[in-house]
Amino acid sequence: DAGVTQSPTHLIKTRGQQVTLRCSPKSGHDTVSWYQQALGQGPQFIFQYYEEEERQRGNFPDRFSGHQFPNYSSELNVNALLLGDSALYLCASSVSGGLTDTQYFGPGTRLTVL
Amino acid sequence: GNSVTQMEGPVTLSEEAFLTINCTYTATGYPSLFWYVQYPGEGLQLLLKATKADDKGSNKGFEATYRKETTSFHLEKGSVQVSDSAVYFCALSGPSPTSGTYKYIFGTGTRLKVLA
Repeated sequence: DAGVTQSPTHLIKTRGQQVTLRCSPKSGHDTVSWYQQALGQGPQFIFQYYEEEERQRGNFPDRFSGHQFPNYSSELNVNALLLGDSALYLCASSVSGGLTDTQYFGPGTRLTVL
Repeated sequence: GNSVTQMEGPVTLSEEAFLTINCTYTATGYPSLFWYVQYPGEGLQLLLKATKADDKGSNKGFEATYRKETTSFHLEKGSVQVSDSAVYFCALSGPSPTSGTYKYIFGTGTRLKVLA
């Protein structure tokens, strides 16, 4: 049973560029949430996708956007990258669209903005 | 708003010592509470959870009890091993007091180092 997978593992971009991160949820899961984890901090909720729609959003600017596909996989897009966007981006999957459900996390994508 | 406060680390213990990592929370209603563990270079793994007051979550020798009267969910283990060295995150899932929608809130993490 495959767990949550994310790609790429590492990514280096420069300020102003755009980036796309990808996530495949755990088998049987239909909900994907994205988190940003800065160094030495806990994960911060970005947004959640369920039934191909953004259901909830944290305190992140519109530069952060996403998408969910019919097979439940998801993408996180960040435009106009800033140095402060450097972080570990975590994807978590769960069932039935609720944040009360247990979330299963992927290994993350380490984004470095130079 | 909802929040989670964890004791600051790092916590350094000798093998077989007793572990306590404190976690307190502020939340509307009755949140679910979680402990996640993050090993170096990896994502978060669920360690244990509790969904209502007085519930005790347990896994791999770790335990935590949901104490509503003290708004706490302290993590304990009777005898730690070197392999327990990791960062531990306390988290809650509960309704936002402003929007009513549910969100996961994580603490800042506590690094545990166990020496042989």
